[in-house]
Amino acid sequence: SQQGEEDPQALSIQEGENATMNCSYKTSINNLQWYRQNSGRGLVHLILIRSNEREKHSGRLRVTLDTSKKSSSLLITASRAADTASYFCATDAAFDAGGTSYGKLTFGQGTILTVHP
Amino acid sequence: DAGITQSPRHKVTETGTPVTLRCHQTENHRYMYWYRQDPGHGLRLIHYSYGVKDTDKGEVSDGYSVSRSKTEDFLLTLESATSSQTSVYFCAISFKRREIWGSPLHFGNGTRLTVT
Repeated sequence: SQQGEEDPQALSIQEGENATMNCSYKTSINNLQWYRQNSGRGLVHLILIRSNEREKHSGRLRVTLDTSKKSSSLLITASRAADTASYFCATDAAFDAGGTSYGKLTFGQGTILTVHP
Repeated sequence: DAGITQSPRHKVTETGTPVTLRCHQTENHRYMYWYRQDPGHGLRLIHYSYGVKDTDKGEVSDGYSVSRSKTEDFLLTLESATSSQTSVYFCAISFKRREIWGSPLHFGNGTRLTVT
C-alpha cells in the first residue's frame, strides 16, 4: 500500500506563480522527504524534514510537516519553467526501539507540475 | 549522479526469459535499493541490501531475486519475465555511513524494461 498520497495529481501554473503540493501518509515516520523527477531521469532529492521539525526552507522551497495530521506540503515560490517535473514525497517509517527501516522509503504517486513560460 | 550506473538503459525481452539488471556504484556505500516505477503506483521497493550478501525483500518482491557479492554491484534478476514486469527500474543508494537514519537516497537514471 502507498504510504504517501499526493494532491493534486497534476498542477499547471504560469511562471512566477507559487506551486503547492500536498502529501498525506498513514503511519508514524522518522522523516519525510521530497524528490523531483525530470522526464526520463532518476529522482533527485530536494529536502528532508524530520518528525520533530515543523518547517524547513531550502532556496525557493518551503516544506511543512504536521505529524498530528500526518501531512506535509511542498511550496515552490516564484516558479520557473525549469521547475516543470514530477514531485514525490517519500516517508521513512518509524520503528520501535531496536528496530530499523534500513533507510527504506515509501513513495507517493507524485504530482506532475507544469510551469508555463 | 552520485556515481551510480545502471545497465542496460533499455531492454526488450520475451515472456519467460530471465533478465538481469545491474546497478554499479563507485562510492562504497553500504545500502542499496531496487525500485520499480509504474504509472499510478509511484515507486515501489522490490529488494534492498544492507551489506555484501545481506539482502531482504521489499513490497513487491515476487518474481524477483537479487544478489550482492561485492559492495559496488547490486544485481536484480527477473527469473522468468512476465508482461506485468514491464516497468522502469531504478537503483538507489543511501549515503548513510553510520547507523544514523534519515539520509536521502540517490538514484540512477533507470532501466526501461519491456517484456513482450
